[in-house]
Amino acid sequence: DQQVKQNSPSLSVQEGRISILNCDYTNSMFDYFLWYKKYPAEGPTFLISISSIKDKNEDGRFTVFLNKSAKHLSLHIVPSQPGDSAVYFCAAQNNAGNMLTFGGGTRLMVKP
Amino acid sequence: NAGVMQNPRHLVRRRGQEARLRCSPMKGHSHVYWYRQLPEEGLKFMVYLQKENIIDESGMPKERFSAEFPKEGPSILRIQQVVRGDSAAYFCASSPITRNTEAFFGQGTRLTVV
Repeated sequence: DQQVKQNSPSLSVQEGRISILNCDYTNSMFDYFLWYKKYPAEGPTFLISISSIKDKNEDGRFTVFLNKSAKHLSLHIVPSQPGDSAVYFCAAQNNAGNMLTFGGGTRLMVKP
Repeated sequence: NAGVMQNPRHLVRRRGQEARLRCSPMKGHSHVYWYRQLPEEGLKFMVYLQKENIIDESGMPKERFSAEFPKEGPSILRIQQVVRGDSAAYFCASSPITRNTEAFFGQGTRLTVV
């Protein structure tokens, strides 16, 4: 039972264009959402987060959008850079627990 | 300010041996989490600990796996009598508080069971 799903296993974009990574969740108790970036053989690195009381959070080139009614969030990276090539994980935390529930990841490839 | 430190980075064990994975959280962080990543999958929660206490072990396999976070020293994830299916990357994370904050991850221990 996957509570957090990233339906696109991979995404390829051109340098300078926008990358949009999507994430869907099923548990309505989730109230805090995070995006992590992961390079091979390294641990996940935190990128950006959003609380369920907001619908948008922006940090430099990264913006996360949350649509609670659709149980959907997305990460926008603009402009995309070759160094952004990595696996991106969406994660969620519910209002009763402490651990993060992760999606399966999306591999982003930014072509020069 | 050192990040989350895990060791060893790579661990090879024969079937039936014990594996011990260590994690030192970031300075000032009292909350430690262990996650496992199987090949081509996302990270799966295993256990959440505070000093000397297991708070949530709902993701831990019922047998052979145990975790501790003693008053002094690193957190330890112990896997007894390892099997091939235990081969995975094991990540430790720490946070200063429990809610609405990011967890910081270590570089992971890649366990290979031969």
